[in-house]
Amino acid sequence: KQEVTQIPAALSVPEGENLVLNCSFTDSAIYNLQWFRQDPGKGLTSLLLIQSSQREQTSGRLNASLDKSSGRSTLYIAASQPGDSATYLCAVSNSGYSTLTFGKGTMLLVSP
Amino acid sequence: ETGVTQTPRHLVMGMTNKKSLKCEQHLGHNAMYWYKQSAKKPLELMFVYNFKEQTENNSVPSRFSPECPNSSHLFLHLHTLQPEDSALYLCASSSLRGSEQYFGPGTRLTVT
Repeated sequence: KQEVTQIPAALSVPEGENLVLNCSFTDSAIYNLQWFRQDPGKGLTSLLLIQSSQREQTSGRLNASLDKSSGRSTLYIAASQPGDSATYLCAVSNSGYSTLTFGKGTMLLVSP
Repeated sequence: ETGVTQTPRHLVMGMTNKKSLKCEQHLGHNAMYWYKQSAKKPLELMFVYNFKEQTENNSVPSRFSPECPNSSHLFLHLHTLQPEDSALYLCASSSLRGSEQYFGPGTRLTVT
């Protein structure tokens, strides 16, 4: 059974810092990996989707990498801003028809 | 409206009540999902519908009853719930089962 772990559970940084969020998964035979953002009490917003054949994806200040063999992904946020404060969730799919397995998330607070 | 919408956004119900949650997607997708998000736990998949057919029921108690009349609408009928069912219920859709998922804002359910 696939298990997804996110470290750290919470992170607090001053504005402007670059930061890395970590995601690990136990079954490396994944189909794709998705990073989401969730604001308090709200739904999820998809940030980046990495297919198993890809090593990284970039969107603006966000860069996600994938190392399938070691079962790890990182989300890099450059020049963090207070508006980046949210919970970041990592989720993996194990086949083209399987559903997502989520981690518990990393709660990020960026202070001005 | 665009994206995935959910109504109501907030719901308080007694254990003997019957209520329904509604999800609608305006993305032309064919797969729809119900998730439960409780405090301190990862998102839990409840049900998956693919082309209006239920393809996955993740051992959900029968007091939760899904309905998918067409590819754009998904309902979750609730009856005789327990206080531990209080959670954020999220709906998602994707073009195909297993592809990138788009989430609604959720319904915050409180069972008293």
